[in-house]
Amino acid sequence: DIQMTQSPASLSASLGETVTIECRASEDIYNGLAWYQQKPGKSPQLLIYNANSLHTGVPSRFSGSGSGTQYSLKINSLQSEDVASYFCQQYYDYPWTFGGGTKLELK
Amino acid sequence: EVQLQQSGPELQRPGASVKLSCKASGYTFTEYYMYWVKQRPKQGLELIGRIDPEDCSTDYVEKFKNKATLTADTSSNTAYMQLSSLTSEDTATYFCARLDYYDGTYYFDYWGQGVMVTVSS
Repeated sequence: DIQMTQSPASLSASLGETVTIECRASEDIYNGLAWYQQKPGKSPQLLIYNANSLHTGVPSRFSGSGSGTQYSLKINSLQSEDVASYFCQQYYDYPWTFGGGTKLELK
Repeated sequence: EVQLQQSGPELQRPGASVKLSCKASGYTFTEYYMYWVKQRPKQGLELIGRIDPEDCSTDYVEKFKNKATLTADTSSNTAYMQLSSLTSEDTATYFCARLDYYDGTYYFDYWGQGVMVTVSS
């Protein structure tokens, strides 16, 4: 199975700041990557697919980039509602696998 | 509006079985695969498997093949997952999630609210 490693595991940032979360795959996943946001006590919500395509209704301050084995999620101008955990997930190879998550808190 | 409504929390004894439900509404149930995902604190998310409600074909991730059984009832637009021989390792939150896909792109566009299963004696 492809292993997905996220970093950092937790992150503290201020309102208005730009935040970047990294996701590394154990092999090339050819942009077959999605990012999800999970707020406390809620289910995950899709943010990004195909590594850089914004899902319908997701604010444009979220963006994804990367290729090969290295991918990142960037949040521009952090808002209070962005406090959540973020997960990457590869769907290039089955079984699809998730990163361990990054917990984002406000400083 | 697409909704996936899951059943309530469960407290089960070790060795027991439990059947979770996921009732879909707001779309044609048979047109989308339904997946189940396990989440444990500090363990991240794990894919369990999927069912195609159109023909009830299933596919399981290897480690869950003897643990989970997926079924679906098209008359009630409900997907089910039965977990057998419960152990403390099965204590987790379980989500159902609808899969959307095209041209090699796959993503879970709608999720149930999750159901907490606690296994304890």
